[in-house]
Amino acid sequence: DTEVTQTPKHLVMGMTNKKSLKCEQHMGHRAMYWYKQKAKKPPELMFVYSYEKLSINESVPSRFSPECPNSSLLNLHLHALQPEDSALYLCASSQDDRGFEQYFGPGTRLTVT
Amino acid sequence: GEDVEQSLFLSVREGDSSVINCTYTDSSSTYLYWYKQEPGAGLQLLTYIFSNMDMKQDQRLTVLLNKKDKHLSLRIADTQTGDSAIYFCAESTGTALIFGKGTTLSVSS
Repeated sequence: DTEVTQTPKHLVMGMTNKKSLKCEQHMGHRAMYWYKQKAKKPPELMFVYSYEKLSINESVPSRFSPECPNSSLLNLHLHALQPEDSALYLCASSQDDRGFEQYFGPGTRLTVT
Repeated sequence: GEDVEQSLFLSVREGDSSVINCTYTDSSSTYLYWYKQEPGAGLQLLTYIFSNMDMKQDQRLTVLLNKKDKHLSLRIADTQTGDSAIYFCAESTGTALIFGKGTTLSVSS
């Protein structure tokens, strides 16, 4: 089983809202990732968690706040977003933080109004 | 710097072979990957190749790697309409995956 699940599938939020994206994997992977993908563009890395600790933050604005409650779960907390933050947010996981064989979830389509 | 280049579009007829090309710049890349993304979906890992290999075959997929020219290709045999999607080449530079801009494959029946 190489499944990574993400909820919700779609999210519409206003600029003053607070919401969270969730990601889950049960493959025993110890690294988890958040990517942002704009339309017709490749995914861009946002955060990497390795063994439940934040190991990479690609200079992401503080209105995005990641959290890794345990080795299977990854959250992305959203607050005071801007319309330009509208995108597909993809979660991925891999065995370890060497990035080998990253498996992606279906993504959350976020629209900020 | 790190950069991955792909042609943006490829159009083929059903039953033909498709060849998607990619060039990369980081000679220290350990693994090179091909991902498939269908409309509105996440990325599906199709196949990967170690940098010390020059070819890998997996059913209808053949990956060729030319390390000297830093050129990677994905051949899809007997292309089907279900293969229509965006195909991303990616190189691994440790933790990060560096993606190309993606090649949109259009298959007509």
